[in-house]
Amino acid sequence: SQQGEEDPQALSIQEGENATMNCSYKTSINNLQWYRQNSGRGLVHLILIRSNEREKHSGRLRVTLDTSKKSSSLLITASRAADTASYFCATAYQAGTALIFGKGTTLSVSS
Amino acid sequence: KAGVTQTPRYLIKTRGQQVTLSCSPISGHRSVSWYQQTPGQGLQFLFEYFSETQRNKGNFPGRFSGRQFSNSRSEMNVSTLELGDSALYLCASSEGQGGHNEQFFGPGTRLTVL
Repeated sequence: SQQGEEDPQALSIQEGENATMNCSYKTSINNLQWYRQNSGRGLVHLILIRSNEREKHSGRLRVTLDTSKKSSSLLITASRAADTASYFCATAYQAGTALIFGKGTTLSVSS
Repeated sequence: KAGVTQTPRYLIKTRGQQVTLSCSPISGHRSVSWYQQTPGQGLQFLFEYFSETQRNKGNFPGRFSGRQFSNSRSEMNVSTLELGDSALYLCASSEGQGGHNEQFFGPGTRLTVL
């Protein structure tokens, strides 16, 4: 069963705009990870944020984590057409357990 | 280092048959996890192997099984295929055991059951 739920399910924006995706989860976590998947291919790891961290940056990506609300957000700034993909959050509730994925947000960036 | 490889990339089978999928992890990675991805259910965790032992298991029937060899390569087997088994099967490898580690995914095997 899914641990995380992404919102929105789909997002369409123009190049240059920012894209924000949200993830809510149900139980306490060890860390939360974001992955990207280009149409029907393997997933690519984007960023990992630990439960004791509140914010993390990587290039144009900014991830926040609010453990009191059991939620995380992924912000992609200055989006490009190449950012078109599905984005998934994934959590492992403690070290050693399985990584469980949400259903993802499909992002479409048009030029 | 070479990435995670999966073979075959595409497979067509008929109901009732069995299938074996293969995954070669990144060199030095000892954990291999398997996922099933379908449009309706999304990414569902199947199982994780580490040092030839199954460490985590998802909620799938016994028709789905796997194993890991001493060189960390892994196979998963699905017996008595059903139409609903049509999916993209992804494997991922990581250095350590458990999903809290960064996972490196292969390109997947697209299985179609007719």
